[in-house]
Amino acid sequence: GAVVSQHPSRVICKSGTSVKIECRSLDFQATTMFWYRQFPKQSLMLMATSNEGSKATYEQGVEKDKFLINHASLTLSTLTVTSAHPEDSSFYICSADTGGYNEQFFGPGTRLTVL
Amino acid sequence: AQSVTQPDIHITVSEGASLELRCNYSYGATPYLFWYVQSPGQGLQLLLKYFSGDTLVQGIKGFEAEFKRSQSSFNLRKPSVHWSDAAEYFCAVGTTGGGNKLTFGTGTQLKVEL
Repeated sequence: GAVVSQHPSRVICKSGTSVKIECRSLDFQATTMFWYRQFPKQSLMLMATSNEGSKATYEQGVEKDKFLINHASLTLSTLTVTSAHPEDSSFYICSADTGGYNEQFFGPGTRLTVL
Repeated sequence: AQSVTQPDIHITVSEGASLELRCNYSYGATPYLFWYVQSPGQGLQLLLKYFSGDTLVQGIKGFEAEFKRSQSSFNLRKPSVHWSDAAEYFCAVGTTGGGNKLTFGTGTQLKVEL
């Protein structure tokens, strides 16, 4: 149980385009979903926390207008990187919280490459 | 605010040798503590977690960790390492308040020599 999927696993796009990444909890309802960014050989940096039906809470330094997060249902959250630039290239990982004891279940990640 | 320190960026051990990965945390209350493993290009897999109770926690794949409040540590151990254990290991601390956020350490890259 507690499986989280992400789609796509890899995406390559041109500079200036927008990219949407989906995060789904497959066998449970996630009250909260989290979006992380991971640079090569570095730790996970929390970008934002999203709760179903409400606006996401962004961490300091994360541009809200650039990284749009929508949490439309208890099983789906999306991250849209708008007007992507090469510096947005990174590994994006989502996680979902079952609501108990801080335990988060992580998706497999999405590798974004912006040319 | 909470923080996590993993002092060892890289560790190399021989297959069959014992392993200990260090983790120190800073948090004002009783923490929730986690160890995750990440293989290249993959998401994170939970190895074990500590919330309360017995300070020696058993996890998957033969890993264990011990919570030592006096040392603010939660070191990960394995008695005999397998080549497949080569990966990146992250220690994380969660808050006991609202928000359920996790703060991760910088990770320890484990290399296993055959």
